[in-house]
Amino acid sequence: DADVTQTPRNRITKTGKRIMLECSQTKGHDRMYWYRQDPGLGLRLIYYSFDVKDINKGEISDGYSVSRQAQAKFSLSLESAIPNQTALYFCATSDQSFSEAFFGQGTRLTVV
Amino acid sequence: SQQGEEDPQALSIQEGENATMNCSYKTSINNLQWYRQNSGRGLVHLILIRSNEREKHSGRLRVTLDTSKKSSSLLITASRAADTASYFCATDGRGSQGNLIFGKGTKLSVKP
Repeated sequence: DADVTQTPRNRITKTGKRIMLECSQTKGHDRMYWYRQDPGLGLRLIYYSFDVKDINKGEISDGYSVSRQAQAKFSLSLESAIPNQTALYFCATSDQSFSEAFFGQGTRLTVV
Repeated sequence: SQQGEEDPQALSIQEGENATMNCSYKTSINNLQWYRQNSGRGLVHLILIRSNEREKHSGRLRVTLDTSKKSSSLLITASRAADTASYFCATDGRGSQGNLIFGKGTKLSVKP
């Protein structure tokens, strides 16, 4: 089994719909992250969580919300999806030393 | 804003040649990491170099760090077609709140 699992892997949704992307990890790490990747822009940080009770906004949090349900689970929600949120979304985890981040396989989201 | 900037944006070489990618960053760092991404997949950690290190090797990879110039390079020797991927540098610089900030990546194509 993968260390970091994202569901769904692909999703097409309509403008205005609410959608949740889920992430679970088996690394036992406290730190979890959501990144967004757009062509030519690299990865940009949306939200991060250093433990279950600690949630922080990243560089591009507008239009997104997150929930840290447990140490192993971190979900990302788009309350009202819009077309410019079409992107590849990655969840990642790391330990406190941040010597290495472990990424999920990504969720390709298309908003039409 | 993004901390690291890779150069070149794209690189095409023949199998057996060496590939060199560069990364520049803006603020002081604790460490710099390089990641690889196969098309549309999650990122995979390659190597970490700490701010007090100047050079590090791992297999066919050689990473250098020049903190005075705020730059790093990744050298892949004797490249193979399987090295075709995008390569990203990531830093935990000042202002990042301990997060990894990624550059936009270099897309490497190795032709057989």
